[in-house]
Amino acid sequence: AQSVTQLGSHVSVSEGALVLLRCNYSSSVPPYLFWYVQYPNQGLQLLLKYTSAATLVKGINGFEAEFKKSETSFHLTKPSAHMSDAAEYFCAVSSNDYKLSFGAGTTVTVRA
Amino acid sequence: KAGVTQTPRYLIKTRGQQVTLSCSPISGHRSVSWYQQTPGQGLQFLFEYFSETQRNKGNFPGRFSGRQFSNSRSEMNVSTLELGDSALYLCASSLAGAGVVEQYFGPGTRLTVT
Repeated sequence: AQSVTQLGSHVSVSEGALVLLRCNYSSSVPPYLFWYVQYPNQGLQLLLKYTSAATLVKGINGFEAEFKKSETSFHLTKPSAHMSDAAEYFCAVSSNDYKLSFGAGTTVTVRA
Repeated sequence: KAGVTQTPRYLIKTRGQQVTLSCSPISGHRSVSWYQQTPGQGLQFLFEYFSETQRNKGNFPGRFSGRQFSNSRSEMNVSTLELGDSALYLCASSLAGAGVVEQYFGPGTRLTVT
């Protein structure tokens, strides 16, 4: 069985500052890892995915994540936060069982 | 290409009633998954269908059921509604199921049980 732990339920950053959202996974088989973003009253939008092709994955809106097998981590970063980045972010893992297991989510607030 | 559509968007039901939610996947996608999102439990997997076959099911009571039609559209049904069933129900579609191929989510159906 696979699972995901997101460290920090809330993160507050200043506009222009680095955004770092932490995700650690547990999986008995090589995982597929994803980051999704959810804006209020909307569904989930895929930011990026890791499928073993490259350890550094670039996604939409300037986000990227690095897969570190030794640390079982898949942290999400963005060099410079924008007000439009305020949302809830979910890390998810899949292990060839046709389902995603999500973390509890991290709410990002961006201060002007 | 149109995204995943879910109907209705909002629903209010009374305890004990039943409800049916509908999901139309992206054209060409054969896999449809359902998730329940609540403030307390977060995002939880309900079930996944591919070519009308359920391939995986989450840990939910039998009151929760689903099906997929030959055109890949899917419905989920909740019978004998309980207050705790109030949630955002999200549908996701993909070419082949969660994993290598990414899933695309619809806007959800907000169910309120009173």
